[in-house]
Amino acid sequence: EVQLVQSGAEVKKPGESLKLSCQGSGYRFTNYWIGWVRQMPGKGLEWMGIIYPDDSDTRYSPSFQGQVTISADKSISTAYLQLTNLQASDSAMFYCVRRSGSGSAGGRYFFDHWGQGTLLTVSS
Amino acid sequence: DIHMTQSPSTLSASVGDRVTITCRASQRIGTWLAWYQQKPGKAPNLLIYEASGLQSGVPSRFSGSGSGTEFTLTISSLQPDDRATYYCQQYNSYSTFGPGTKVEI
Repeated sequence: EVQLVQSGAEVKKPGESLKLSCQGSGYRFTNYWIGWVRQMPGKGLEWMGIIYPDDSDTRYSPSFQGQVTISADKSISTAYLQLTNLQASDSAMFYCVRRSGSGSAGGRYFFDHWGQGTLLTVSS
Repeated sequence: DIHMTQSPSTLSASVGDRVTITCRASQRIGTWLAWYQQKPGKAPNLLIYEASGLQSGVPSRFSGSGSGTEFTLTISSLQPDDRATYYCQQYNSYSTFGPGTKVEI
């Protein structure tokens, strides 16, 4: 069974940094693109970026380019989302997602498996 | 950037009703469109890919159609378990989600 298991909820203060994790299991982790989707409270879904763990090829949404860093450690089947200089407006649920279809060719980013989500609260 | 819109933003229907949600893209995207269902407090779940492909395990009452800039998601006979928010997503160029349609029973 394919599973994406995310790290637990976080409470941070403004100005702090954070690295969320997402561990994949039940499939060949290196062969599928893994991405991140943000959902702000009561709002819709926003695709942030995606990484191919085998070679760390990374693509970012223009809306998030330079604002976040996506990485992966294929030795432990884990992808990461790093956020810095957190502000209250960064409070959101973050989902990791697996792109449907294996292979290194980029594009066609739709998602057949989702993690359970990590809730980030930024508050002083 | 490709911008997605959905209508209606909310709909209320009865069990057994046929329900249709419309999604429009700001430019042509072929059939590179997916639909997701998100129940309260849960992660989204893929229903439809490539505009009309039914994801494995999804009930057959869900169907999708369309191409170019206009797409529809249809629930042929609404069930109580279908109470959720539905999102369309274009993946012709990177990925953009629509704002969602909340379905109430």
